[in-house]
Amino acid sequence: AQKVTQAQTEISVVEKEDVTLDCVYETRDTTYYLFWYKQPPSGELVFLIRRNSFDEQNEISGRYSWNFQKSTSSFNFTITASQVVDSAVYFCALSEAGGAQKLVFGQGTRLTINP
Amino acid sequence: DGGITQSPKYLFRKEGQNVTLSCEQNLNHDAMYWYRQDPGQGLRLIYYSQIVNDFQKGDIAEGYSVSREKKESFPLTVTSAQKNPTAFYLCASSSSGTGYGYTFGSGTRLTVV
Repeated sequence: AQKVTQAQTEISVVEKEDVTLDCVYETRDTTYYLFWYKQPPSGELVFLIRRNSFDEQNEISGRYSWNFQKSTSSFNFTITASQVVDSAVYFCALSEAGGAQKLVFGQGTRLTINP
Repeated sequence: DGGITQSPKYLFRKEGQNVTLSCEQNLNHDAMYWYRQDPGQGLRLIYYSQIVNDFQKGDIAEGYSVSREKKESFPLTVTSAQKNPTAFYLCASSSSGTGYGYTFGSGTRLTVV
């Protein structure tokens, strides 16, 4: 069975600090997708990134970067120079490549950026 | 603009009553999903449907029912058999086979009193 673990329940940092959100996953599939979503207080899930299991290149998008390491089954998310607007709950998720493509979510990490 | 509409945003019901949550999408997506979120927890899959007139149970289907009579619509009924119905419910859709992830609705917060 697929499983996603986000061990950090809550993180609180001061604005402009860098912060890394950890994500560890389990799957028997050789092909799968990994995702990060942001959930602001409004509740809607905002898509941040999708990563194919065959693509281990790290990705950077502005202040956001993702480190995918298949060897350790991890897909960590780093925010550089954090801002108050980054405060939200962040979810890591895993889906099978075919079939129903059901998403399996981690428990989420509540990130608070203090001014 | 294409998207998913969930209504209502807030819903209050008395214990023992059935309640139906609406989910409509105009993205022409084949697959639709219902997730439940409890405080401090991740999202858990209730039901999903890959095509019209067909749906499957997710991890926590007990006490819920769905229908998929139209491609655009996937309503969720929370029945009186659901022991702890108070939660945040999110509907999602995806274009099957692309792996491009989901589009989520804005959610319905159900409170049973």
